Amino acid sequence: EIELTQSPGTLSLSPGERATLSCRASQSFSSNYLAWYQQKPGQAPSLLIYAASLRAPGIPDRFSGSGSGTEFTLTISRLEPEDFAVYYCQQYGISPFAFGQGTKVEIK
Amino acid sequence: QVQLVQSGAEVKKPGASVKVSCKASGYTLTDYDIHWVRQAPGQGLEYMGWIVPRSGDTYSIQKFQDRVAMTRDTSISTVYMELSRLRSDDTAVYYCARGYNGWSPWGQGTLVTVSS
Repeated sequence: EIELTQSPGTLSLSPGERATLSCRASQSFSSNYLAWYQQKPGQAPSLLIYAASLRAPGIPDRFSGSGSGTEFTLTISRLEPEDFAVYYCQQYGISPFAFGQGTKVEIK
Repeated sequence: QVQLVQSGAEVKKPGASVKVSCKASGYTLTDYDIHWVRQAPGQGLEYMGWIVPRSGDTYSIQKFQDRVAMTRDTSISTVYMELSRLRSDDTAVYYCARGYNGWSPWGQGTLVTVSS
């Protein structure tokens, strides 16, 4: 069973700053099956990135994903006010599928 | 547009069962798997299992294997998740999500409250 650990737990930043979120897996798996989701309060998660680096339709290019093996990163190049939210990584290639515990990006 | 619409909030007593529906529109239900995820208040996302609508095959994680049943009615493009023997720690928002290149879209969520 693959476990995902996200860091940091909370990221306090100002609009316009760069955010770097990390996701580490307990064992290596194909990057084809790593996704990132954004969740705002009271809303369902929404897909940002799939296959580690591919943006979902409609996702702005300030969001980028990278990584392979056991180390993955979500980068938000310049934070917009609407980007303050919780972000989850997920592996969906090997059952049981799993989510990281989330990183909250909050306004500093 | 492609969307999943879930049934409304439920309040149940401990020991009861709850059945949540997830209706697909804008695409053919049988073309993609449907996954179920729950989120307890203030907590993260917990994966529960999935159904292959084309065949009806299901998989659930060990934690839920003896309590969860996932079914589908392809004639109305709807899948169902039934959780039995409810406990207070089953209080959560339950989501369905379409599995394809990452999971998207997600249903709006169904709040299930278990309280005596």
